[in-house]
Amino acid sequence: EIVLTQSPGTLSLSLGERATLSCRASQSITHRYLAWYQQTPGQAPRLLIYGASSRATGIPDRFSGSGSGTDFTLTISRLEPDDSAVYYCQQYGNSVTFGGGTKVEI
Amino acid sequence: QLHLQESGPGLVRPSETLSLTCTVSGASIANSHHYWAWIRQTPGKGLEWIGNINYSGVTFSNPSLTSRVTISVDTSKSQFSLHLTSVAAPDTGIYYCARPTWDLRPFATFDVWGLGTMVTVSS
Repeated sequence: EIVLTQSPGTLSLSLGERATLSCRASQSITHRYLAWYQQTPGQAPRLLIYGASSRATGIPDRFSGSGSGTDFTLTISRLEPDDSAVYYCQQYGNSVTFGGGTKVEI
Repeated sequence: QLHLQESGPGLVRPSETLSLTCTVSGASIANSHHYWAWIRQTPGKGLEWIGNINYSGVTFSNPSLTSRVTISVDTSKSQFSLHLTSVAAPDTGIYYCARPTWDLRPFATFDVWGLGTMVTVSS
């Protein structure tokens, strides 16, 4: 099983700042099959990024993903109030596993 | 518009079987080549993929849960179901059904989710 470790656990930032979230895999993820989700309280996760860097339909370009192998990053530029949420990474190269999440507080 | 809705008991006794159904509307499972999935969110393990099934009954499941998981499909009702045996307190959480972003691939991202249903394991 590929274990995904996210850091930091919590990120406290101000409106307009940039958020950088990390996701590290216990082994290399094939074909960059790494996704990012946003979850707000009471809601199901929402797909933001797939293939490490491709934005899902309707996702603003303030959200960007990068990385390969075992190290991946989600960047949120110019934080807005609605960006307060927990963000999860997920790999789908070898079965499916999720990271533990990073909470972004604004 | 595609819509997924989970249904089933909100309370299950320890050692018994948790049974949930996901009803798909706005599309037909019978005409889809997607692997329809169950995902749960528990306090102990966070988000955890349970398994999936396609229209013909081919299933994949999480190795850590395989011995307790059965997933079935009823294409005539556009439903798929989850049965999790021998439940215990760590199985308490929100259970989601979801559709993967792409068809034909058993492992993928998920772009359509149900609202989720809370299941509590307690006597």
